[in-house]
Amino acid sequence: DAKTTQPTSMDCAEGRAANLPCNHSTISGNEYVYWYRQIHSQGPQYIIHGLKNNETNEMASLIITEDRKSSTLILPHATLRDTAVYYCIVHPYSGAGSYQLTFGKGTKLSVIP
Amino acid sequence: DAMVIQNPRYQVTQFGKPVTLSCSQTLNHNVMYWYQQKSSQAPKLLFHYYDKDFNNEADTPDNFQSRRPNTSFCFLDIRSPGLGDAAMYLCATSRRGGDEQFFGPGTRLTVL
Repeated sequence: DAKTTQPTSMDCAEGRAANLPCNHSTISGNEYVYWYRQIHSQGPQYIIHGLKNNETNEMASLIITEDRKSSTLILPHATLRDTAVYYCIVHPYSGAGSYQLTFGKGTKLSVIP
Repeated sequence: DAMVIQNPRYQVTQFGKPVTLSCSQTLNHNVMYWYQQKSSQAPKLLFHYYDKDFNNEADTPDNFQSRRPNTSFCFLDIRSPGLGDAAMYLCATSRRGGDEQFFGPGTRLTVL
């Protein structure tokens, strides 16, 4: 079973920031938080990952709470091309279980013109 | 551009007729994965290779097999497809476990 809880769906106005929450209250000390997205009829695409510090790359920012029990993925200026299902996944970076991405139900983000 | 390629993109087979899906990568990654994604569901890992070491998920049916003849190619063989095997099959690669996985576009399998 997936170890994360995400809202089923969210809407965001084009050009505004999209903030996608994820709860992972049972996360272990060696587990990272990964975000992937899947645009309709395409393979999943890696977005970002982090352990405990906030992370930013060209696609998004990841904010992880101090207790690591939840995180938020931020798309700073959402475009129509960001409409997709977003998956929050926790798994270890190395060792047993590091190969298996266990996808939950994800959040379907709809960016509205 | 370095990428993960899956052929064919669409495959139609008959009930019980063996079918092979292929995946190739130009990323020179050590690990290759096969996922199954049924309609309106999340992807589910079937198995992975670390180099030539094969690792099967515990609940992957025996009907599904895989071959990795070299670093670049990996094949998914479905020995006797049933109607329940109709799905999108996704290939992915990573340098090592825990690294980001790069996914191909998928092969959509239809079983008649």
